[in-house]
Amino acid sequence: RKEVEQDPGPFNVPEGATVAFNCTYSNSASQSFFWYRQDCRKEPKLLMSVYSSGNEDGRFTAQLNRASQYISLLIRDSKLSDSATYLCVVRFAGTALIFGKGTTLSVSS
Amino acid sequence: GAVVSQHPSWVICKSGTSVKIECRSLDFQATTMFWYRQFPKQSLMLMATSNEGSKATYEQGVEKDKFLINHASLTLSTLTVTSAHPEDSSFYICSARDFETGQGSASSGNTIYFGEGSWLTVV
Repeated sequence: RKEVEQDPGPFNVPEGATVAFNCTYSNSASQSFFWYRQDCRKEPKLLMSVYSSGNEDGRFTAQLNRASQYISLLIRDSKLSDSATYLCVVRFAGTALIFGKGTTLSVSS
Repeated sequence: GAVVSQHPSWVICKSGTSVKIECRSLDFQATTMFWYRQFPKQSLMLMATSNEGSKATYEQGVEKDKFLINHASLTLSTLTVTSAHPEDSSFYICSARDFETGQGSASSGNTIYFGEGSWLTVV
């Protein structure tokens, strides 16, 4: 079983739509959780950290369920500029980031 | 904010030659750097963890004699792809852990910074 699993998509949505991505991780010892965004042929960039209490940053909301080992990202009011690949990432203490394969989002006008 | 510079951004080399990729932390000290490889439509796969002043730790399946990593200073790690073959063509990307903010804690992701990546094409 892969360490971090995501639905690769693609998710094709119109502008203004709300879209949700899900992710599961296999190692219960994972301590830190993130969503990264990767544009085509570019390095990944941190979108937001994910906390058990849930956290929101503008149109983006992330949730973590440690019991189910499940992470989610909700994007409201999608913009064309949101088109990218969204990477679910976990980390154990002091070690490298472990990436999921990514979920591709395409927002159209 | 902290910056990690990776060079070269693009490189084309002939099969059988070696290619060196540099990863520099520009305004912080990085005792640990990570090297990833990403094939098209695939995830970033960790190749090795590079620690300043010591041997790199390679992930299972990564040939340490083919992918030579040197982390001679707190601001520079290099990855050399030796005797490159077309199947080594990929996107190589490094990340560096900020020594100050990462010390002694589980750390949040914002203490790990990525280079811009290097596209290697072996012909």
